[in-house]
Amino acid sequence: DAGITQSPRHKVTETGTPVTLRCHQTENHRYMYWYRQDPGHGLRLIHYSYGVKDTDKGEVSDGYSVSRSKTEDFLLTLESATSSQTSVYFCAIKSGGREKLFFGSGTQLSVL
Amino acid sequence: TQLLEQSPQFLSIQEGENLTVYCNSSSVFSSLQWYRQEPGEGPVLLVTVVTGGEVKKLKRLTFQFGDARKDSSLHITAAQPGDTGLYLCAGGSFGNEKLTFGTGTRLTIIP
Repeated sequence: DAGITQSPRHKVTETGTPVTLRCHQTENHRYMYWYRQDPGHGLRLIHYSYGVKDTDKGEVSDGYSVSRSKTEDFLLTLESATSSQTSVYFCAIKSGGREKLFFGSGTQLSVL
Repeated sequence: TQLLEQSPQFLSIQEGENLTVYCNSSSVFSSLQWYRQEPGEGPVLLVTVVTGGEVKKLKRLTFQFGDARKDSSLHITAAQPGDTGLYLCAGGSFGNEKLTFGTGTRLTIIP
């Protein structure tokens, strides 16, 4: 399973509340990604990281920030959650070249 | 922005039948990957194709990358209930560490 753990697995929060999702990997992979998955949209890239303290935006980065202070942890923060951020969030790592991604089990986030 | 459109969006067939799902774009990709996702889990990589016209087989699944590297197809022979899931294609871009995902095909195999 490429040693990826996402936490929490489920979260319910209120509009305007800050939320942080954690992705932890055990195999020292350089590249880590955060995606959101919504019906009819497939997977959309939020942010990705190519090393400690090196991050870049994806196609749907507005309202999200990330941090990577250690190789093994990649955090996704919603500074002030909105209902449009209700989604399933997946973390992924790249392994084996050719953009091969391995995904965590996801976090179901509901913003009420 | 590169877009990948998958068709059909939903497909429900009887066990034992054959099927093909498609992944199309107007953009050229350096590689094309197929993933399968089951409920409550993340997508799992099935195959990567990198050469225009390339065909790869994985048991009853046959994957093809279009000659122009803009499209791909997945053909399943004699579908089984275990093939049920969401199938996602994803395109890789030259000199870029990001993948573009398609919208997905939700496949249901009826026993």
